Amino acid sequence: GAGVSQSPSNKVTEKGKDVELRCDPISGHTALYWYRQSLGQGLEFLIYFQGNSAPDKSGLPSDRFSAERTGGSVSTLTIQRTQQEDSAVYLCASSLLGGEGTDTQYFGPGTRLTVL
Amino acid sequence: GQQVMQIPQYQHVQEGEDFTTYCNSSTTLSNIQWYKQRPGGHPVFLIQLVKSGEVKKQKRLTFQFGEAKKNSSLHITATQTTDVGTYFCAASGGYQKVTFGIGTKLQVIP
Repeated sequence: GAGVSQSPSNKVTEKGKDVELRCDPISGHTALYWYRQSLGQGLEFLIYFQGNSAPDKSGLPSDRFSAERTGGSVSTLTIQRTQQEDSAVYLCASSLLGGEGTDTQYFGPGTRLTVL
Repeated sequence: GQQVMQIPQYQHVQEGEDFTTYCNSSTTLSNIQWYKQRPGGHPVFLIQLVKSGEVKKQKRLTFQFGEAKKNSSLHITATQTTDVGTYFCAASGGYQKVTFGIGTKLQVIP
């Protein structure tokens, strides 16, 4: 079946503009994560959605970042008034999270964001 | 969520040498996962360990979960250039958010 998809694959924007990044998780997966990865660095957790629960936004670096997950499926990460330090690869992952042993995360290919 | 420390952050080895990365937590983990990210790629799931003292093997890779379920290791025997990449551990608490370690970047010198 289809894996996690993300769009766009690359986004170049000017400082101060808003951007929207999209994630289509694997169908039926209840958990969805957004991560940020700067060049050569580890995974920085941003936000976590699990079913109908309130999202865990503890990783969002500033109030310029927000995310939604509509209908328990597609998610959009929005960055307002982008800054150069926002340049990174934004990764989305989903998991079934049906209990013990189902936490495997399946990652999308990422969106490479470059803020000029 | 769980907090995990991963060491070392970087490791250079000669091809054919062994490699080990360690993941440690101050709290008991429900389970632990290992992922590999090739240069330019995205993290890909390798394995999940659930039981205390569990040992699993995948060809040249050996994964261990400590008896206290607070630490884990990934050992690669006789590294090859195809092993190059960053290896992440990720701690999970069942229905809790998964937390990734910082990763160990492995470079294999031919």
